Amino acid sequence: GQQVMQIPQYQHVQEGEDFTTYCNSSTTLSNIQWYKQRPGGHPVFLIQLVKSGEVKKQKRLTFQFGEAKKNSSLHITATQTTDVGTYFCAGEGGTGRRALTFGSGTRLQVQP
Amino acid sequence: NAGVTQTPKFQVLKTGQSMTLQCAQDMNHNSMYWYRQDPGMGLRLIYYSASEGTTDKGEVPNGYNVSRLNKREFSLRLESAAPSQTSVYFCASRPRVVGTEAFFGQGTRLTVV
Repeated sequence: GQQVMQIPQYQHVQEGEDFTTYCNSSTTLSNIQWYKQRPGGHPVFLIQLVKSGEVKKQKRLTFQFGEAKKNSSLHITATQTTDVGTYFCAGEGGTGRRALTFGSGTRLQVQP
Repeated sequence: NAGVTQTPKFQVLKTGQSMTLQCAQDMNHNSMYWYRQDPGMGLRLIYYSASEGTTDKGEVPNGYNVSRLNKREFSLRLESAAPSQTSVYFCASRPRVVGTEAFFGQGTRLTVV
């Protein structure tokens, strides 16, 4: 079945440093979504990418969808303590299952 | 507007006991999902209901059953709980079956001893 792999599993940065998490799918995706989960909370939708090569920005967050629609990345510029949490990518398409397949997540810790 | 509501928030079961996790959404969404979250493994799909009246297996359906009671409610049942089912369970809903964001409930933390 479809697999969505995400790296790194964990990253600890100093406040102000940049952070990137990468997501790779075993199959071509129709779209990819990103979610953030604060400690003890539930996943909250950040963004959806649909087009090949698409780049979207939300303030300090930059999201990219690969040309082959099999990989994606989330980059945070100048991290802040409010960025702490786990970031998940979730892919859709490529299988008969009409549901999101989540990556294993990247847990971000920001040292003040 | 409550969004997605899950009950209970916490539960401890003994091995072999049964229980039902309840989920309700008030956003008139067509699709509903049950995921489990274990450390280092992300969110794994247990079952989903693309629309009222349909249910389908996800990645890890063994040991679970579901019921889409109506458009609002989607319940998850553990018939004979096992320690391997200790996890955090999230219910989610989406307006349509594809291409839309998922809204998650607050989660149910289940421990099976």
